[in-house]
Amino acid sequence: EVQLVQSGAEVKKPGESLKISCKGSGYSFTSYWIGWVRQMPGKGLEWMGIIYPVDSDTRYSPSFQGQVTISADKSISTAYLQWNSLKASDTAMYYCVRHVYYFDYWGQGTLVTVSS
Amino acid sequence: QSALTQPRSVSGSPGQSVTISCTGTSSDVGGYNYVSWYQQHPGKAPKLMIYDVSKRPSGVPDRFSGSKSGNTASLTISGLQSEDEADYYCCSYAGSYSVVFGGGTKLTVL
Repeated sequence: EVQLVQSGAEVKKPGESLKISCKGSGYSFTSYWIGWVRQMPGKGLEWMGIIYPVDSDTRYSPSFQGQVTISADKSISTAYLQWNSLKASDTAMYYCVRHVYYFDYWGQGTLVTVSS
Repeated sequence: QSALTQPRSVSGSPGQSVTISCTGTSSDVGGYNYVSWYQQHPGKAPKLMIYDVSKRPSGVPDRFSGSKSGNTASLTISGLQSEDEADYYCCSYAGSYSVVFGGGTKLTVL
């Protein structure tokens, strides 16, 4: 069974750093791109970017380029989404997804709350 | 990249059919046969309902169907059921490994 299991909810202060994770199982992790999708409270879905775990080739949405870093460790079948300096506007649910030209499997979501 | 345009809300009675539109440009919806649709119930992760414009993943009822004409894709739900009440998002490949979502449509089953 294909699964994407994300790390737990986080509460952070503005300016702090954060790295959340997404562990894939039940399939060949290196055969698919892994992506991240943001959903701000009460809002729609936004594509952030993707990574190919084999060589860490990474593509970002222009809206998120320079704002976050996507990485992966193929040895442990895990992808990451990282912020160096969080803002209140980063408060959202973040989903990891298995990416083809569509997203066939989704993680359960990681809620990130940034508040002073 | 601009978000694809979807109606904010649609509604229908049980047993009826509803269609949700998704309008993009020739750089996304019109340029590729890679439109997908997602259903999201409150507090849940989205679920893939349609991919490659009109294909259904295993387990998705055949009441759900997808189509495309020019720069507009559509999701049709026939034989509406109460459990279909949810938010629906379209998504299209937009070239250079990127994708773009629609703003979402809230389906109310009356």
